[in-house]
This record gives sequence, C-alpha cells and structure tokens, in this order.
Amino acid sequence: DAGITQSPRHKVTETGTPVTLRCHQTENHRYMYWYRQDPGHGLRLIHYSYGVKDTDKGEVSDGYSVSRSKTEDFLLTLESATSSQTSVYFCAIASFSGIGDTQYFGPGTRLTVL
Amino acid sequence: TQLLEQSPQFLSIQEGENLTVYCNSSSVFSSLQWYRQEPGEGPVLLVTVVTGGEVKKLKRLTFQFGDARKDSSLHITAAQPGDTGLYLCAGMKNTDKLIFGTGTRLQVFP
Repeated sequence: DAGITQSPRHKVTETGTPVTLRCHQTENHRYMYWYRQDPGHGLRLIHYSYGVKDTDKGEVSDGYSVSRSKTEDFLLTLESATSSQTSVYFCAIASFSGIGDTQYFGPGTRLTVL
Repeated sequence: TQLLEQSPQFLSIQEGENLTVYCNSSSVFSSLQWYRQEPGEGPVLLVTVVTGGEVKKLKRLTFQFGDARKDSSLHITAAQPGDTGLYLCAGMKNTDKLIFGTGTRLQVFP
C-alpha cells in the first residue's frame, strides 16, 4: 500500500469555523490531489498540486484553499466551514499525471459541519 | 456537470450471478480507469484502458472501452461476496485530470 495518511480521520465542527485537513505521503510523489465524495456524485476534484508551492483549482474549489510547502504534505483549508461542505474528503497521490497514471488514495476524512 | 454517468446506481445480486456496470459519457476520453472502493477506505485502481475497443480481463472481471472512447463497461462473471463494494469509473481528458463517474454500489449476497 502507498504510504498516505490523512488527519484527522473524523471531525465535527460548527458553521463558520476554520478547518484544516492534512494529507501526508512517504512516497515522494510529485502530484497530490484533494477530492470530496458525496452520494450520487462520485469523487469531485477540489484542488491539486504538481509540486511544492504549485497548486491549481479543480471543479469544486469555491470555499477551499490549499498549501504545499513540502513534497510530503498537502493541506486543505476550509476558511469558514458551511453545512454544504459536510462530506468525505480523500487525498490522492500520483508519480505522474497523464495516460496510464495511477492515483493512490488515502483512507479519507469524514467531516461534519453542524 | 457530471460528465460520466454510471448505471445502475445500485445492484443487489446473489452469489454466482453475472452482472454488467456501464459508464457513459458524451465526451471522448484519452483513457478510462475503473476503481473499487470498500467502506471506510479510499478507491483502489483495478484497470486502465487506453485504446478504443480495448478489452482487459482481471480474473472474473472483464473491462471494455468503447470504440469511440466515450463509454466503458465492467462485467463480472459468477459474482462473489468479496466483489461487494462501490465501483467507480474515471476518465482522463486532455487536462490530465481524472473525472470520476457517479458510482455503482454492488452488494453480493451469499
């Protein structure tokens, strides 16, 4: 199994509070991704990174920001959490991006915003 | 906008039955992947298909990429309880980012 951990694994927070989720990898992969998973939507890309300090938006980036100061860590921040951000969040890593790449997923973080 | 629609959304069958899951789109993809996800875990890659019309087999699972590279199917022969899980297709377009399908939740009863 690829070395990917996510923390916390579960979090309950209140509307309007800031939340930061952490993804840590030990594989030295260049690419890192944050997805959210909701029933009926599969996985939707929030943000991704193609190197240290190099990030870009995905299809559902509103209300989220990311940072990558080290190869191994990719942080997802909800500046002011809303109930619509209740979801399961997955981090993924890949050694390259393109045809034939394999994304390895972390175990997920279940976030509930009350 | 969901570019990849999977059907059926849910499937409950008895052990030993055959089933097919479909992944359809109006868009062309450069490659298509199938993942399986078990409860409480992240998705795990099963297969990648690249060429239109390509067929790949993984034990009892057969994957096919449509000739026009807009659709794909997953066929499971003689399903077993261990096949239970959420099956996700994911297509890659020229942006080099994966677009995931809506998912098919399979339950195989002994």
